Amino acid sequence: QKEVEQDPGPLSVPEGAIVSLNCTYSNSAFQYFMWYRQYSRKGPELLMYTYSSGNKEDGRFTAQVDKSSKYISLFIRDSQPSDSATYLCAIAGSARQLTFGSGTQLTVLP
Amino acid sequence: EAEVAQSPRYKITEKSQAVAFWCDPISGHATLYWYRQILGQGPELLVQFQDESVVDDSQLPKDRFSAERLKGVDSTLKIQPAELGDSAMYLCASSLTSYNEQFFGPGTRLTVL
Repeated sequence: QKEVEQDPGPLSVPEGAIVSLNCTYSNSAFQYFMWYRQYSRKGPELLMYTYSSGNKEDGRFTAQVDKSSKYISLFIRDSQPSDSATYLCAIAGSARQLTFGSGTQLTVLP
Repeated sequence: EAEVAQSPRYKITEKSQAVAFWCDPISGHATLYWYRQILGQGPELLVQFQDESVVDDSQLPKDRFSAERLKGVDSTLKIQPAELGDSAMYLCASSLTSYNEQFFGPGTRLTVL
């Protein structure tokens, strides 16, 4: 079993839709939870970062962490074609080394 | 805006050949990482440097891979000999310290024929 499992996708939605991206993890020692966005032929860029259970909002993006269920989610409201990318969840323990999910490819259709 | 630089962006080589990738981190960043990202998967850490010292290379296939960061600034990752299974994106990232956000470079796409 992988330490981090991510819904594989791909996901295709119309512009303006709400998108839900999800990951589960197995190690309760993980303390830090991140979402990265990776455009084609580019490196990942940090989108959201949180270290506690609950919700964190940044514009159209909301990161949700449920430590009791070992489940993290990223919601994108009013999705735009520019949101089309691969989204990677990443989780870290106290040493802050990142363990990535396999990524979900999202396409937002105009 | 400061960025992590990597070269080359693309490399095609034949199996059994040697290849090398270069990374120039953001100025002042003490921690440097090399990741491998196979198509359709997330990045996997190969090696982590703190200044010029290796902090973690437990996932580096040491029979064929080597990495160095001699002056604690730029870094080189080498594969010798390359195998078909090494085809992947090789990403370099840097951070101010190991507790700060990692910034990724654009990667080197390696194809081994």
